[in-house]
Amino acid sequence: SQTIHQWPATLVQPVGSPLSLECTVEGTSNPNLYWYRQAAGRGLQLLFYSVGIGQISSEVPQNLSASRPQDRQFILSSKKLLLSDSGFYLCAWRTTYEQYFGPGTRLTVT
Amino acid sequence: KQEVTQIPAALSVPEGENLVLNCSFTDSAIYNLQWFRQDPGKGLTSLLLIQSSQREQTSGRLNASLDKSSGRSTLYIAASQPGDSATYLCAVSLTGNQFYFGTGTSLTVIP
Repeated sequence: SQTIHQWPATLVQPVGSPLSLECTVEGTSNPNLYWYRQAAGRGLQLLFYSVGIGQISSEVPQNLSASRPQDRQFILSSKKLLLSDSGFYLCAWRTTYEQYFGPGTRLTVT
Repeated sequence: KQEVTQIPAALSVPEGENLVLNCSFTDSAIYNLQWFRQDPGKGLTSLLLIQSSQREQTSGRLNASLDKSSGRSTLYIAASQPGDSATYLCAVSLTGNQFYFGTGTSLTVIP
């Protein structure tokens, strides 16, 4: 069966520091992968999605970037974090029809 | 751009009650609609998926309906239990690749 992993589970970072969040999927090949952010009291915001290695689509221009160095690995990065980057970051992958989500990373920027 | 709205934002019911959660969307040309459950501090768990050609899907005590022409979906929960307490989110996809989420309904089932 397919499994999606995210790490770290929680992260506290100061403003201006870099960020790297990792997502990996097991049990499938060539998945469509997604990064979402969920801010307190708000819905899920799609940040990036990828249909293959090196193929990244950005939904919201901001100081975040994404990369897909391997088929089942999706990385979310930032060179300098802002306070507004705090939130719950979720990685997801898609079958033909459905989306499945990872456990999420809670990021607090101080 | 697809806008997804969920009403009510919060709902509190006594255990055993049947309840309906609502989801509306602005663009009726959807590919599919998916209902999720989210427990505090956790990821999303898929509950039901309705394809654009379907009108409803059932899983246990859950039944989801879809009316594309009116841009609405409902999630019916029968005989609610305290373990059903969570936030319920609906998401619609236009192309199968991009998903648009509502802000969710926070459900509390009181024992």
